[in-house]
Amino acid sequence: VQLVESGGASVQPGRSLRLSCTASGFTFDDYGMNWVRQAPGKGLEWVSVINWNSVSIDYANSVKGRFTISRDNAKNSMYLQMNSLGPEDTALYYCVRDMLRAPGAFDVWGQGTMVTVSS
Amino acid sequence: EIVLTQSPDTLSLSPGERATLSCRASQSVSSTHLAWYQQKPGQAPRLLIYGASNRATGIPDRFSGSGSGTDFTLAINKLEPEDFAVYYCQQYGFSPKTFGLGTKVEIK
Repeated sequence: VQLVESGGASVQPGRSLRLSCTASGFTFDDYGMNWVRQAPGKGLEWVSVINWNSVSIDYANSVKGRFTISRDNAKNSMYLQMNSLGPEDTALYYCVRDMLRAPGAFDVWGQGTMVTVSS
Repeated sequence: EIVLTQSPDTLSLSPGERATLSCRASQSVSSTHLAWYQQKPGQAPRLLIYGASNRATGIPDRFSGSGSGTDFTLAINKLEPEDFAVYYCQQYGFSPKTFGLGTKVEIK
């Protein structure tokens, strides 16, 4: 069971970035998936969730209207389109799986991809 | 949103001692929607406890969770060297899902 994130980069404020997460070792379309971020030296912040068939989607207030979560079950992949990035979005972004028996608890985490927003 | 307050910020203990970590919610959280995670430096968090008291797969039985309403506790019996880490509580009953700021368990 593995989650691998990619797409992190250093960008200027106001720019966009798209993160990807590729899953392996489990039946991807059985699970809800999330993005959770962690600013350097700080705690964890849940960012967004998408259910198995993309019908149910939710965002943290801090990213609502700027970030868009999506998934492609045929490719075992999830994405996070991030627009209008600001310094407050600088963080390590984790791809995280919902626990099947306790949706909303996160039982599998990737190693993260770093996003740095700076001029 | 529900604010989770963890205490203490730092817990200094010796291997073999018992650790007791607290997580207090700003409003009542269903005990079925409270989780605990462990994070070591340079690593992703790991799920320890879900549903307030259920150990996740592979978690040793020296870790136990309890509580209800607004007050939850993570206890670690007989600390092992690998248990020194940061611990986060999380509620997932209400949107947005929220985490506490963490308790660092350090070697005394």
